[in-house]
Amino acid sequence: GAVVSQHPSWVICKSGTSVKIECRSLDFQATTMFWYRQFPKQSLMLMATSNEGSKATYEQGVEKDKFLINHASLTLSTLTVTSAHPEDSSFYICSASSSGQGIEKLFFGSGTQLSVL
Amino acid sequence: QKEVEQDPGPLSVPEGAIVSLNCTYSNSAFQYFMWYRQYSRKGPELLMYTYSSGNKEDGRFTAQVDKSSKYISLFIRDSQPSDSATYLCAMSASGSEKLVFGKGMKLTVNP
Repeated sequence: GAVVSQHPSWVICKSGTSVKIECRSLDFQATTMFWYRQFPKQSLMLMATSNEGSKATYEQGVEKDKFLINHASLTLSTLTVTSAHPEDSSFYICSASSSGQGIEKLFFGSGTQLSVL
Repeated sequence: QKEVEQDPGPLSVPEGAIVSLNCTYSNSAFQYFMWYRQYSRKGPELLMYTYSSGNKEDGRFTAQVDKSSKYISLFIRDSQPSDSATYLCAMSASGSEKLVFGKGMKLTVNP
């Protein structure tokens, strides 16, 4: 299957700093990328949907000024957690799909575990 | 009530056992039902995909959807230690890639 690379796999940062997470599609053009967050013992929750070249669409309750998403190319989307606080500590995972390919062609990255001290 | 409910387990079974994993949901608009498998430190990978009600079989895996009961199941026959992973159910209303996930059930198959 197609490969989505997510980096870093884990990061520890101090409160108040910003952290950038990258999501790359390695062998297909990802017209749409999704960012999820998962707290311990909870479901993967969709944070936002990004289409290449457009502003991201955020789910209700997700602060767009805190979670900056950039999808400037067909192979790369980034999520920046700005001024991170301990409550932002979570598992973040991206998924990517190519236009018109449907759910079966949705591929996930390996996730990033963020710990904010 | 959450849209999708899944017992997070964990579940531990001996090798060769039949495993039954289940999810319930509340949104009657869901039409697409998926099961993902996630190994430790890896992203979820699609295991089974079903549209609307009915059964789907793929090797040792069978997915069932009962829309009248808002209940989906994944059966694993002759379970193997390599099946040890977290299994997540996911659903979509319109075939959109915006998925609603269950919490995931951690399964361990003991040799």
